[in-house]
Amino acid sequence: GAGVSQSPSNKVTEKGKDVELRCDPISGHTALYWYRQSLGQGLEFLIYFQGNSAPDKSGLPSDRFSAERTGGSVSTLTIQRTQQEDSAVYLCASSRGQGDGYTFGSGTRLTVV
Amino acid sequence: DQQVKQNSPSLSVQEGRISILNCDYTNSMFDYFLWYKKYPAEGPTFLISISSIKDKNEDGRFTVFLNKSAKHLSLHIVPSQPGDSAVYFCAAKSTSGTYKYIFGTGTRLKVLA
Repeated sequence: GAGVSQSPSNKVTEKGKDVELRCDPISGHTALYWYRQSLGQGLEFLIYFQGNSAPDKSGLPSDRFSAERTGGSVSTLTIQRTQQEDSAVYLCASSRGQGDGYTFGSGTRLTVV
Repeated sequence: DQQVKQNSPSLSVQEGRISILNCDYTNSMFDYFLWYKKYPAEGPTFLISISSIKDKNEDGRFTVFLNKSAKHLSLHIVPSQPGDSAVYFCAAKSTSGTYKYIFGTGTRLKVLA
């Protein structure tokens, strides 16, 4: 597509439920990144994909967080047993290659109540 | 450990005047820097970049200055316009080995008409 697409744009979920966030990167971009922005915080790195593999998962906050990427394209970030501290805007970005500048999606605003 | 710091959470400037946004970093391996602008409910968009081989890069009303010895960069916007009101993030990476950008916490700029 022309840009990075994320869905849903907003998600309200009850504490303890699982959520899936989707990212559709720019066609041909091999690198894909997930970041999150909590209230009053900067952009916190979560995970990086090169193709379908994730060489760096160091930013995932806990084992409740996982992500996958299929076909070198769409990525899904899954948060299991959501907690209130998971509330944030989750941003996906893609780039042509590793280290290139990012194009971000509009993000998914997750609210855990 | 916050490797990229934006110590001013907010800044107000009169329209037509210069806006100066500051960013400090601690990792001496960082050698490529970006500034992103973010409007509410949108993803960050790339604004301007600078490599450590330069100390200045200019693009229209936007100029980024890099002081390597002080590990400091700044973004100058002149003249400031109301449409520049947004959150500005600086980001840094090392071109040798790492592939992810480290972002600062952002500075909210408000340009007053």
